[in-house]
Amino acid sequence: QKEVEQDPGPLSVPEGAIVSLNCTYSNSAFQYFMWYRQYSRKGPELLMYTYSSGNKEDGRFTAQVDKSSKYISLFIRDSQPSDSATYLCAMRAPSSASKIIFGSGTRLSIRP
Amino acid sequence: SQTIHQWPATLVQPVGSPLSLECTVEGTSNPNLYWYRQAAGRGLQLLFYSVGIGQISSEVPQNLSASRPQDRQFILSSKKLLLSDSGFYLCAWSTGGSNQPQHFGDGTRLSIL
Repeated sequence: QKEVEQDPGPLSVPEGAIVSLNCTYSNSAFQYFMWYRQYSRKGPELLMYTYSSGNKEDGRFTAQVDKSSKYISLFIRDSQPSDSATYLCAMRAPSSASKIIFGSGTRLSIRP
Repeated sequence: SQTIHQWPATLVQPVGSPLSLECTVEGTSNPNLYWYRQAAGRGLQLLFYSVGIGQISSEVPQNLSASRPQDRQFILSSKKLLLSDSGFYLCAWSTGGSNQPQHFGDGTRLSIL
């Protein structure tokens, strides 16, 4: 079993819809959670960074963490064609020796 | 603000040739530096990381090596490229401290012929 599971998609939704992207993980030591957005032929860009259960909001983006279920989500409200990209979840344990573990990414397409 | 630069953006090399990819960070001191490889449809594979000048940790034994000759410079090298070295190589940095997120450059797409 992979440490981090992420549905690869592709996920296609109409413009203006609410998008829900999800990851599950198996390592209960993970305490820090990130979402990255990656456009084609570009490096990943950090969108959200959180270290606690619950919700964190930044503009149209909301990151949700449920440590009891080992489940994290990224919601995008009022989705735009410019949101079309691959979204990577990532997480790590607090140990200084721990690495960031990335999901394989979900490809998202917003239809105008 | 901090910026990270990687070059070249695209590289086509013959099998058996050497490789040197360079990454530099501006706007921060003593960053942690990382090299990743990303295969299509797969997650990022950590290749090397460095917490200081001359300090390199290798995550995956392979045909590649890394060096950090200056505080904000990280170089990925190979003496003889293999076909399996093709991929998208990403450099990243983070501030010191174990719980900081990483920030990525725009990558180098390497094709081996």
